[in-house]
Order: sequence, then structure tokens, then C-alpha cells
Amino acid sequence: GAVVSQHPSRVICKSGTSVKIECRSLDFQATTMFWYRQFPKQSLMLMATSNEGSKATYEQGVEKDKFLINHASLTLSTLTVTSAHPEDSSFYICSAMRPNSGANVLTFGAGSRLTVL
Amino acid sequence: KQEVTQIPAALSVPEGENLVLNCSFTDSAIYNLQWFRQDPGKGLTSLLLIQSSQREQTSGRLNASLDKSSGRSTLYIAASQPGDSATYLCAVSLSGSARQLTFGSGTQLTVLP
Repeated sequence: GAVVSQHPSRVICKSGTSVKIECRSLDFQATTMFWYRQFPKQSLMLMATSNEGSKATYEQGVEKDKFLINHASLTLSTLTVTSAHPEDSSFYICSAMRPNSGANVLTFGAGSRLTVL
Repeated sequence: KQEVTQIPAALSVPEGENLVLNCSFTDSAIYNLQWFRQDPGKGLTSLLLIQSSQREQTSGRLNASLDKSSGRSTLYIAASQPGDSATYLCAVSLSGSARQLTFGSGTQLTVLP
């Protein structure tokens, strides 16, 4: 079955540093991936749509210069949180569209917990 | 703007009980609705997907129903087991676009042995 791997699963960093999170589709090619943010006991909020070979599409209110997304290949999208601050601490989840499975049939990664000290 | 609400936020039941989780949405013109399971600190696993033309979907001990006109869906879990303990989220899509999935905040289920 389709598998999406996220790395790292947990990361702790100091305020002001940048952190990169990777999202890989292991057994299928994903032209489109999605990045979400989830606060404790809250729903997933879509941050941006990552498109292979083109610029990401950011949702309203998401700072594109702070959350850099790169989708350089059909199996890898990265989210870089630049100059991280404690308020950026959250659970970040990616998902990928499986080809030929319907427009919103997604495979989700296991998430990455970011803690900014 | 579509809003998705899940009540209760948390539920604790003894093993073996049948239970119902609720999901309501404000815009009834949905394309489909999905139920997901999320284990602590993990991503989402899709459980059931109901197209707007369908009334229900079943998978094993799970049955999801959809009443578009009233803006409601339920997830029925039969003979609950401790392994069912997780957070269950519903998500609706207005257009079939993954970008337009709106998630509820989930119901945290604990099944006590």
C-alpha cells in the first residue's frame, strides 16, 4: 500500500534556528503534497499545497517566507520553519495524493512534533 | 465557510460497548466525507469515505452514515476494544479537491479494558 514517511518525528530546537522536515512518498510518485499544522486537541489546518516543480500554494494567513516549502522531486517535499519561535511549536503533518485514487484520497505521514525552546 | 464540529470531544467507554461518534457540518453541499483515526503523536489513517450520493459505508466493526440534508454523519463502532482507543476525526470535502478538506477537531475515544 501507499506509504508516506516523515522525518524527523520529533525535533527540539532553540529559538531563532531553522528546522527542516521531510515528507517522502515511498512507493508512489506524488505530484501534490499537503502540509498541515495541528495544535493539541485541535483539527488539522492546511498550511500549503506543495506542487512538484513549481511554487507552493499557501493558505491565507500562512507566512510563505517563514514556512518554506520545496517539492524538488516526485517523492519528496520539505518544509523549513525559518527563524523558529516558541509559538511555532506544533505538530506538522504532511499528506500526499495517491495517483489514480480519487481527488482527495490522501496518504498521511506520521507527523513531526516541533518544540522550539 | 464550512465548519465541522465533533461532539463529544472525549468519550470513555468500557470494552465491548457499541458507541456512536458524531460529526456535523454547516454546508450540506459536500462532495464526500471521510472518517480518520489518529493515534497519539501519529498521522491519520483513513477509515471510511462516503460519497455525497451514499448513505453509509461499512468496514468490519465500523459503520459510517451520512445525512447530507441535516449536515450530519455518525461513526458507529460495534463491540469496542481497547485497541480502538484513538482520536477519530471527520473531514468533509466540498469539491473533491484535497485542498478543500475541512477537518473536525476530533473525538478522543478511550476504551477501558
